[in-house]
Amino acid sequence: EIVLTQSPATLSLSPGERATLSCRASQSVSSYLAWYQQKPGQAPRLLIYAASNRATGIPARFSGSGSGTDFTLTINSLEPEDFAVYYCQHRYNWPGTFGQGTKVEIK
Amino acid sequence: EVQLVQSGVEVKKPGESLKISCKGSGYTFTSYWIGWVRQMPGKGLEWMAIIYPGDSDTRYSPSFQGQVTISADKSISTAYLQWSSLKASDTAMYYCARLYGDQYFQHWGQGTLVTVSS
Repeated sequence: EIVLTQSPATLSLSPGERATLSCRASQSVSSYLAWYQQKPGQAPRLLIYAASNRATGIPARFSGSGSGTDFTLTINSLEPEDFAVYYCQHRYNWPGTFGQGTKVEIK
Repeated sequence: EVQLVQSGVEVKKPGESLKISCKGSGYTFTSYWIGWVRQMPGKGLEWMAIIYPGDSDTRYSPSFQGQVTISADKSISTAYLQWSSLKASDTAMYYCARLYGDQYFQHWGQGTLVTVSS
């Protein structure tokens, strides 16, 4: 089973700043990686799929990059509604495991 | 509009059985994989199992194989997750979600909270 390790566990930033979240896979997952956002009390929401493709309705300030074992989610100019927990997930094989999450909190 | 509507809150005792549901609408139910994701209190997301309602092909995470059963009734566009004997450690929020292809969880239900306590 592929293990995804996200860092940092918590990111403390102010609105308007850039957030850079990392996801590292225990083996190559090619570009089969997605990012999700989860706010308290809500279901997760798909942000990015296939490493760099924004899902429908996702603002352009969200971008994904990487391939193989190292991936990055960048949020340019944080909006108040972006403070949440972010998870990566691979789909190189089954099960498509999730990372443990990165919490982006208001500084 | 794709919608997934899950069954309501469940409070059960250890050893009891349970079947929770997820009804899809706004798309062709038999043409998309649908799956279940667990979130234990204060914890992260865990991939449990997925099913292709068109032919009932299933995939389980080794962590959940033998512990739960995923199924689907295409006549009523509904997927299910069931337990034969609940444990306290099954206490969690369970989300169903429709996959994009066979890959990513694109559309999510609202979640079903399951509490198992004596």
